[in-house]
Amino acid sequence: DTGVSQDPRHKITKRGQNVTFRCDPISEHNRLYWYRQTLGQGPEFLTYFQNEAQLEKSRLLSDRFSAERPKGSFSTLEIQRTEQGDSAMYLCASSLKSPNTGELFFGEGSRLTVL
Amino acid sequence: AQRVTQPEKLLSVFKGAPVELKCNYSYSGSPELFWYVQYSRQRLQLLLRHISRESIKGFTADLNKGETSFHLKKPFAQEEDSAMYYCALFVGVLYGNKLVFGAGTILRVKS
Repeated sequence: DTGVSQDPRHKITKRGQNVTFRCDPISEHNRLYWYRQTLGQGPEFLTYFQNEAQLEKSRLLSDRFSAERPKGSFSTLEIQRTEQGDSAMYLCASSLKSPNTGELFFGEGSRLTVL
Repeated sequence: AQRVTQPEKLLSVFKGAPVELKCNYSYSGSPELFWYVQYSRQRLQLLLRHISRESIKGFTADLNKGETSFHLKKPFAQEEDSAMYYCALFVGVLYGNKLVFGAGTILRVKS
């Protein structure tokens, strides 16, 4: 297991297009998180899953954003009708529910540029 | 609201000098605090957590509930410590079971 993997690593798109990112967590991890990071800021929480259930969504996540984790394995994050303000690094992380709840294992991120 | 504040965007020290990266938090629950590090061209990774009270790569951090602080310290900086450091607070089920990150501090160790 090589850790959390994300695809694609970079995506350049035009405003108004839809984009989808995929995250493959560490196989035995039941929690999966999405974060967004912009220049000069720390990662901002977007949403998290425990197995296949989406248990928490940030108010940052407008209705153009949707995330899924079918079968509790990989996850996808889709952004519809992209805007320039969506340009950011999208980070995925996974963890075990317990005992080390705050120990998240991060992927390398998917960088989105909206032109 | 839960918040993590790292007041310094950049900390520049000479090799061998002591390092202290500041972190303050705001949280009404029982805090679980972490330091994460991102080296150049590497992914974000856990450095240490307050519960384990361990020293990792010579770094230590003590939770001070009175001052709501969790500063990261190392007595003698090394060039390989140059990285971005994030303080993070894990908030429990009432607040979403998530890590809340500070804005980060770049540590630059000069030779």
